[in-house]
Amino acid sequence: GAGVSQSPSNKVTEKGKDVELRCDPISGHTALYWYRQSLGQGLEFLIYFQGNSAPDKSGLPSDRFSAERTGGSVSTLTIQRTQQEDSAVYLCASSPPTGISYNEQFFGPGTRLTVL
Amino acid sequence: GESVGLHLPTLSVQEGDNSIINCAYSNSASDYFIWYKQESGKGPQFIIDIRSNMDKRQGQRVTVLLNKTVKHLSLQIAATQPGDSAVYFCAEIEPWGMRFGAGTRLTVKP
Repeated sequence: GAGVSQSPSNKVTEKGKDVELRCDPISGHTALYWYRQSLGQGLEFLIYFQGNSAPDKSGLPSDRFSAERTGGSVSTLTIQRTQQEDSAVYLCASSPPTGISYNEQFFGPGTRLTVL
Repeated sequence: GESVGLHLPTLSVQEGDNSIINCAYSNSASDYFIWYKQESGKGPQFIIDIRSNMDKRQGQRVTVLLNKTVKHLSLQIAATQPGDSAVYFCAEIEPWGMRFGAGTRLTVKP
């Protein structure tokens, strides 16, 4: 079946420009996560959406970062006035609704962002 | 602050040998841990998980051990194959998602 998809797969932009990264979660998954992975580093949590609840934005590194999730499905991560330190792979993950405390997260292939 | 980290950044093993990847965590309140495998150019893939009320859990060719006394996780891969070459992350479950370590790169030599 279809997994989590992300677009674009690669994005090169100039410093100061805005970028939008898209995530299409697995159909029926209620939770959606954004992570950032810098070269040689681990995964850094950015933001978490669960159903129609207010998102947990505690991981966003600055007010230049924002994300929205329309209709409980597709999500867009927006980075305004990009800086070179924003260069990283941005990963999206989704998980299904269950009653247990943990839901396995299914990851997309990521978007590689390069800020020149 | 609390963190999840890995002892070894790189590991090189001979094909057919067993591999052991280690992870230290510091948040004793966490009750769930996961190992992920990430191949080049791909997102992380779930390998195996373990709850804090368990010491050991086995999957297909993989075993995760949890030592809560010293806050240590390990992933054992039996009869390592070239397809096992990847970066392996341990992750600690938080209410909002997961906290990941930096990862260990496993290279399998033929």
